[in-house]
Amino acid sequence: SQQGEEDPQALSIQEGENATMNCSYKTSINNLQWYRQNSGRGLVHLILIRSNEREKHSGRLRVTLDTSKKSSSLLITASRAADTASYFCATDPSGSARQLTFGSGTQLTVLP
Amino acid sequence: NAGVTQTPKFRVLKTGQSMTLLCAQDMNHEYMYWYRQDPGMGLRLIHYSVGEGTTAKGEVPDGYNVSRLKKQNFLLGLESAAPSQTSVYFCASRRLLAEETQYFGPGTRLLVL
Repeated sequence: SQQGEEDPQALSIQEGENATMNCSYKTSINNLQWYRQNSGRGLVHLILIRSNEREKHSGRLRVTLDTSKKSSSLLITASRAADTASYFCATDPSGSARQLTFGSGTQLTVLP
Repeated sequence: NAGVTQTPKFRVLKTGQSMTLLCAQDMNHEYMYWYRQDPGMGLRLIHYSVGEGTTAKGEVPDGYNVSRLKKQNFLLGLESAAPSQTSVYFCASRRLLAEETQYFGPGTRLLVL
């Protein structure tokens, strides 16, 4: 079963705008990660936030985590056409053998 | 470093045929994973390995077998392919349990007719 579920499923914005994607999960976690997948390619790790962290930044990326609501959000600021991709959240459940469980992804399209 | 590579990139099989997908990593990672990705869905774990000579089942292991005879290679086998196994298969590796990031290969697109 899918541990993480992203919302929205698809998002289309203009270049320069901010993009926000949300992820909800079901069980307690060690950490939550965001990955990007360009069309026809493998996944690339973007950022990781641990269960005891609330916010993390990396360049134009900002991730928040609310463990009480079992949710996370990924904000991409000043988006570019090159940000067009699918974005997946992946959870690392507590007590697991560190197997990541992926959501179904958000397809982001940034229009030039 | 090539990172994680997968062979082949694309394959068409007939129902009942068998094949092996090869994943190789040159980063000396302990952990390796096989996922499948179906349209509109995230990745689902098929099998994984925590070290040379060890394998374990993931979320969707039925119809697949794996082997990790060498630390750098992780093989995924389909003994008798079925149309339901049409998918894109991704291999990933991870250095240690304490390092959470997984590194993915480019994928193998498999079509079973």
